[in-house]
Amino acid sequence: KAGVTQTPRYLIKTRGQQVTLSCSPISGHRSVSWYQQTPGQGLQFLFEYFSETQRNKGNFPGRFSGRQFSNSRSEMNVSTLELGDSALYLCASSLVHRDSYEQYFGPGTRLTVT
Amino acid sequence: KNEVEQSPQNLTAQEGEFITINCSYSVGISALHWLQQHPGGGIVSLFMLSSGKKKHGRLIATINIQEKHSSLHITASHPRDSAVYICAISGNQFYFGTGTSLTVIP
Repeated sequence: KAGVTQTPRYLIKTRGQQVTLSCSPISGHRSVSWYQQTPGQGLQFLFEYFSETQRNKGNFPGRFSGRQFSNSRSEMNVSTLELGDSALYLCASSLVHRDSYEQYFGPGTRLTVT
Repeated sequence: KNEVEQSPQNLTAQEGEFITINCSYSVGISALHWLQQHPGGGIVSLFMLSSGKKKHGRLIATINIQEKHSSLHITASHPRDSAVYICAISGNQFYFGTGTSLTVIP
């Protein structure tokens, strides 16, 4: 069974631009969560989607948004990029809900904002 | 204010030693997760707990809901256990500890 895939793996953007990251969960998994990891703040929760609905959201500004499609694939978008958005963005999928079943993490997308 | 506190931050052990990493939290939770992150960045979920104790091979995780505390134990540690171990709690939000960097020396 294929694991969680994220594209692209690396990305360089300029301040003020926007970016879209993609996550394909393990086949059959319906929950997708997104996380940001930086050296200063560590891992932080962005949001969780289940059956195309955002179930939970972390404490990030509205520039961070996401969505989930009917095939459970998810995208997250960051608009008006800031230098502080440089981070490793991870997604994780689970069968139903992350508190009921373990999560499987993707390799991450490393975003650099210059 | 950190909802999740882990200790120690760094840990160096000799191969074969018994290792304990502690996690305390301050809010109500649905589940507690132990994660492992290797230098390349990949994260693996080791355990998800809502009560009691779980064991996978040489790894044991326990949780005490009343005391809001969890421990991750590694028996007979091995250099391949060297990684960052992260405690996380989930409910409506998902909070992470700052991680424990473990180095096991042969």
